Amino acid sequence: DVKVTQSSRYLVKRTGEKVFLECVQDMDHENMFWYRQDPGLGLRLIYFSYDVKMKEKGDIPEGYSVSREKKERFSLILESASTNQTSMYLCASSSPGTVKEQYFGPGTRLTVT
Amino acid sequence: GEDVEQSLFLSVREGDSSVINCTYTDSSSTYLYWYKQEPGAGLQLLTYIFSNMDMKQDQRLTVLLNKKDKHLSLRIADTQTGDSAIYFCAESDNGGSQGNLIFGKGTKLSVKP
Repeated sequence: DVKVTQSSRYLVKRTGEKVFLECVQDMDHENMFWYRQDPGLGLRLIYFSYDVKMKEKGDIPEGYSVSREKKERFSLILESASTNQTSMYLCASSSPGTVKEQYFGPGTRLTVT
Repeated sequence: GEDVEQSLFLSVREGDSSVINCTYTDSSSTYLYWYKQEPGAGLQLLTYIFSNMDMKQDQRLTVLLNKKDKHLSLRIADTQTGDSAIYFCAESDNGGSQGNLIFGKGTKLSVKP
């Protein structure tokens, strides 16, 4: 059974803290994605990676960075957390192919106070 | 740019049919997708349709595609309370890198007993 796991389901951090969100997939997928989900705004792509050590900016990369040192792991970093980064963060992975099915993790609900 | 539009809310009674509509802009999308997000969970692929098809049926689900109008719909027959979720329409991001999808904002389906 395919699996994408995220390190935390719920996280509370203070403004200015450095925050790491980890995502691991066990499907040997090349592509990995980080989204944030906010009510009324749907999913917005933050960063994605299509190979180890490769990264590409999505639609809203400001205030975030990513790391992909190993194929199975894709980390999202909030360099200095701010209250407007309070959100649900979803990680996904996929393999290159005709049908671009993305497999999602359960999400991390981050609250920045 | 590419955009996917869908209404934000739909409410139906248990046993009725639900129809969730979506419009997209990229006529070159090869596949179009429907994802389901249950409360507190990540997204899960529900079904997809190849762009040269008009209809796809899978048990209680029927997907209709009107390529001329760039309109996609998802019909759920005999809707159950367990179908209550957010449904996302998505198309391939053919202008972007491999594997990217463009999601609509999601339609929250509420099923009343």
